[in-house]
Amino acid sequence: KNEVEQSPQNLTAQEGEFITINCSYSVGISALHWLQQHPGGGIVSLFMLSSGKKKHGRLIATINIQEKHSSLHITASHPRDSAVYICAVIGSNFGNEKLTFGTGTRLTIIP
Amino acid sequence: DVKVTQSSRYLVKRTGEKVFLECVQDMDHENMFWYRQDPGLGLRLIYFSYDVKMKEKGDIPEGYSVSREKKERFSLILESASTNQTSMYLCASRDGADTEAFFGQGTRLTVV
Repeated sequence: KNEVEQSPQNLTAQEGEFITINCSYSVGISALHWLQQHPGGGIVSLFMLSSGKKKHGRLIATINIQEKHSSLHITASHPRDSAVYICAVIGSNFGNEKLTFGTGTRLTIIP
Repeated sequence: DVKVTQSSRYLVKRTGEKVFLECVQDMDHENMFWYRQDPGLGLRLIYFSYDVKMKEKGDIPEGYSVSREKKERFSLILESASTNQTSMYLCASRDGADTEAFFGQGTRLTVV
């Protein structure tokens, strides 16, 4: 079983819909990243959070440390939001510099 | 803006060739990482470095080596490229353990 699981693997929605992508992890973490990867390949960090909730424009990320779960929400989705969204965790062991990644959620927004 | 720059976007090499993938970051970050990304497997860590001349094996180091002679540059070396090393390679850098990671644009390597 992967340490970081994302769902769904693929998601297709109509423009304007509210989108939720989920991430569950099985290890202790100090922080969690949400990343976005467009078809060209480059990865952009959307959020890094260790508790509560963060908001940036139409994007909202939440995390529940006790339940080992995080969600990424997109409000009023737009075709330009089409991308792969990746959850990654930073382990809480001292000196653990590594990120552990989920396999990603491919989001397609249809006009 | 932090920039992580990889030397090539696309690369085609022959089996047995020695391949160098270069990564440069401009924010004086301590930690640098090389990942490969394959469909269905996500990003897997090949090697990372937490200081100049320091390196640690990641989860899949076999067939790869790395070099970090200067803080800003982290090179991934395929000593003798094989077809199973065809993949997308991504470099990342970060300052401390709990800081944001920044990624390069990726190098899509094809070994024929």
